[in-house]
Amino acid sequence: KAGVTQTPRYLIKTRGQQVTLSCSPISGHRSVSWYQQTPGQGLQFLFEYFSETQRNKGNFPGRFSGRQFSNSRSEMNVSTLELGDSALYLCASSPSLTSGANTGELFFGEGSRLTVL
Amino acid sequence: GDSVTQMEGPVTLSEEAFLTINCTYTATGYPSLFWYVQYPGEGLQLLLKATKADDKGSNKGFEATYRKETTSFHLEKGSVQVSDSAVYFCALTGAAGNKLTFGGGTRVLVKP
Repeated sequence: KAGVTQTPRYLIKTRGQQVTLSCSPISGHRSVSWYQQTPGQGLQFLFEYFSETQRNKGNFPGRFSGRQFSNSRSEMNVSTLELGDSALYLCASSPSLTSGANTGELFFGEGSRLTVL
Repeated sequence: GDSVTQMEGPVTLSEEAFLTINCTYTATGYPSLFWYVQYPGEGLQLLLKATKADDKGSNKGFEATYRKETTSFHLEKGSVQVSDSAVYFCALTGAAGNKLTFGGGTRVLVKP
């Protein structure tokens, strides 16, 4: 079974630009979450999507947004990039039950490393 | 809000030594508790979990027991190997979906 795939793996942007990151979950997983990992703040939750609906949102500004498609693939977008947005962005999928209940077990991709200059 | 505190590293050990990484949490209700591991150059992966008080999670020789009275979930391994060198994260989920709250991570380096 293929794991969680994130693209691109590395990217460099300049301040003020915007970026879109993509995530393909494990087949059959309907929940997709995004996390930001930085040396200073550690791992922070961005948002979670289930069946194309945002189910949870972390404490990030509105410049951070996401969406999920009918095939469970997800994208996140960061607009008006700032230097502090440089981070490893991790996507995780989860085999939520058909009822939408959670297992809490996340399967992470290797991440997209964003550098903002 | 929910929070997880774990001991700061790095922790440097010799092969076959005993490893303990302390983790305490603050949460409302009855969270599920997890240990995730990040090996060099790899993504985060679930190491073990416990979903209720007194549950013991175990995997790959690692163990952790959900202690509600002390709000702790300490990770232990009796005899570490060089291949256990990694960053270990304690985490919890509450009632809100699959939102994981992570501790700051503990880097473990095992020397031969």
